[in-house]
Amino acid sequence: AQTVTQSQPEMSVQEAETVTLSCTYDTSESDYYLFWYKQPPSRQMILVIRQEAYKQQNATENRFSVNFQKAAKSFSLKISDSQLGDAAMYFCAYRSAGLYYDKIIFGKGTRLHILP
Amino acid sequence: ETGVTQSPTHLIKTRGQQVTLRCSSQSGHNTVSWYQQALGQGPQFIFQYYREEENGRGNFPPRFSGLQFPNYSSELNVNALELDDSALYLCASSLGLAGPHPNYNEQFFGPGTRLTVL
Repeated sequence: AQTVTQSQPEMSVQEAETVTLSCTYDTSESDYYLFWYKQPPSRQMILVIRQEAYKQQNATENRFSVNFQKAAKSFSLKISDSQLGDAAMYFCAYRSAGLYYDKIIFGKGTRLHILP
Repeated sequence: ETGVTQSPTHLIKTRGQQVTLRCSSQSGHNTVSWYQQALGQGPQFIFQYYREEENGRGNFPPRFSGLQFPNYSSELNVNALELDDSALYLCASSLGLAGPHPNYNEQFFGPGTRLTVL
C-alpha cells in the first residue's frame, strides 16, 4: 500500500521570504502522480501543483515549485515570496496512474503560518 | 460555471442514527468522489461514482454507501453512526474516468460537511 508522510506539522515563514515544505512517500509503482493541495480555513481543498512521475522536470506554477526526487521518493514544495494569503494547511498527496478511479492518498498535512 | 457545493454545512447526530450528505458536482462533471477528513488528518478516500455506478472504493465498511443521480449530483449515506464518524466529509467532482496517461482529470473539491456524532 502507498503511504505519504509529512514530517512537519507546522511551519512559519516571514512574509516575502521563501519556505520549503517536505514530503516523502512510499510506493512500489513506477507510474503515479504527486500533488500539493492547499486547504484554507474555508475548508475547500485547492490544487496547488501537480507532478507526473514519468516527467523528470520539476513542476512550477508561478511562486510554487517542487523538488521531485523519484529515487529518494521525496517531493518538497517551495513557496517563494510568501504572501499572507498562503497561510493554510498544505497536503502532499499521491495518486496511482494505473487505477480507473481517482483514489488520492493524502499526508497528514503541514500548517503554514505567514508572519507579517 | 458553478463549483462543487455541499449541504448541509454542519450536522449533529447521535450515535446509532443515519445521515445523508449531499453534493452537487461542478457543471459538466460526471464523476464524484467522497472523502472523510478526521480532525488533524488528511482526507481518506471513501468511494467514487461514475455515471451513477460505484467504480472504486476505499477501506470503509458497507454502512458507508452512496448514490449518484442522472444529473450527477451525489449522496453519501452513513448508517449506524459511530463516534469515530465525526469528521469533515469532502466531495470532489471531475470530468470523465481516470486512467493511465494521459487520462488525468483534475478533481475539484467542495467546502465539505462537518458531521459531529454525539
